[in-house]
Amino acid sequence: SQELEQSPQSLIVQEGKNLTINCTSSKTLYGLYWYKQKYGEGLIFLMMLQKGGEEKSHEKITAKLDEKKQQSSLHITASQPSHAGIYLCGAEPDTGRRALTFGSGTRLQVQP
Amino acid sequence: GAVVSQHPSRVICKSGTSVKIECRSLDFQATTMFWYRQFPKQSLMLMATSNEGSKATYEQGVEKDKFLINHASLTLSTLTVTSAHPEDSSFYICSARDYNFHNYEQYFGPGTRLTVT
Repeated sequence: SQELEQSPQSLIVQEGKNLTINCTSSKTLYGLYWYKQKYGEGLIFLMMLQKGGEEKSHEKITAKLDEKKQQSSLHITASQPSHAGIYLCGAEPDTGRRALTFGSGTRLQVQP
Repeated sequence: GAVVSQHPSRVICKSGTSVKIECRSLDFQATTMFWYRQFPKQSLMLMATSNEGSKATYEQGVEKDKFLINHASLTLSTLTVTSAHPEDSSFYICSARDYNFHNYEQYFGPGTRLTVT
């Protein structure tokens, strides 16, 4: 089965600083999703990457998928308190089943 | 955008009783829905795949007789936790994919927090 490892597990940054979260897969990724979750709430879709070398940006968040499609990074520029939460990467295995396997999550705190 | 709703958002029940959680796709049809469980400070774990008009597919280790799934229509899937015990207390989240295969986004519900006393 596919396993996703996220790092770091938790992160505390000062407001305005940049940060990167990594997601590494044990197998080649068919699709890689990034979600944000506030504790006890549902998931907010951020971005989906599918092609090797693909990079997408939304506001101050950029996600990349490496050429081999086994690692993705999420980069936040000039972090704000509103960026705080749990970031989850989810992988879609190349089986057509469409269910996602999730990484363990990265808990981000942004200090004003 | 597409929305998935869940009801109830929170439920407290006594040990031994059954609880039903509903997952609805509000503005699209979903032939497949997924049920996940999330324990505190842990990630989401897939429990089962709910297929409209057919039996659900359960992940290894998930008891199908305990977690009954019914997907009676293209917009509704229900998860019933039967004879609930305190260890079933968790955050249950459903997700659905748009009927249109080319829409890759998977929409998640807001979750249901179940507490079994």
